[in-house]
Amino acid sequence: LAKTTQPISMDSYEGQEVNITCSHNNIATNDYITWYQQFPSQGPRFIIQGYKTKVTNEVASLFIPADRKSSTLSLPRVSLSDTAVYYCLVDWGNGNKLVFGAGTILRVKS
Amino acid sequence: NAGVTQTPKFQVLKTGQSMTLQCAQDMNHNSMYWYRQDPGMGLRLIYYSASEGTTDKGEVPNGYNVSRLNKREFSLRLESAAPSQTSVYFCASSDGLEAFFGQGTRLTVV
Repeated sequence: LAKTTQPISMDSYEGQEVNITCSHNNIATNDYITWYQQFPSQGPRFIIQGYKTKVTNEVASLFIPADRKSSTLSLPRVSLSDTAVYYCLVDWGNGNKLVFGAGTILRVKS
Repeated sequence: NAGVTQTPKFQVLKTGQSMTLQCAQDMNHNSMYWYRQDPGMGLRLIYYSASEGTTDKGEVPNGYNVSRLNKREFSLRLESAAPSQTSVYFCASSDGLEAFFGQGTRLTVV
């Protein structure tokens, strides 16, 4: 199971773009990269998933270099409501263990 | 859509008591998971079930048992509760791409 490494915490200001990088040096060929967001007292919520290159949805973008040993979650123009913990997971999908690391605490300030 | 439903939402147990946390999903997902989250920490996988009739240990299975009653339901049992099991417990289900979480059960063992 590929292990992931993320920064423990990050601070930002409203309106800025935030990039959170995750290292997964031992990622396997079948693994996908998935990011979740968790607010206090709630379960995590899916943000975005990708396999290679770039994926974009209405919430975020995910950049994955060719070697796939890292990935970067990009949140455009953050607001106070984006303050949360962000988790990077690497797995191959159905039936696999979904192991969450410690995540990155993002604090957005006004 | 109800999604993932956990019961109860709150529970206080005395040391040595037993109880079962219930989880049901209505999304026809094959995979289901139980996590615990201690204050200020990430989620730790207790048990998971890749499909009806199968269960596997996660990162912290000691002191817990699970039952995949059918495709919809996945229960977590504490046979003899200990103060170290005070935590918030989350159930999740997955379609292989995205995991959906319940609202959590806040368990206190005194």
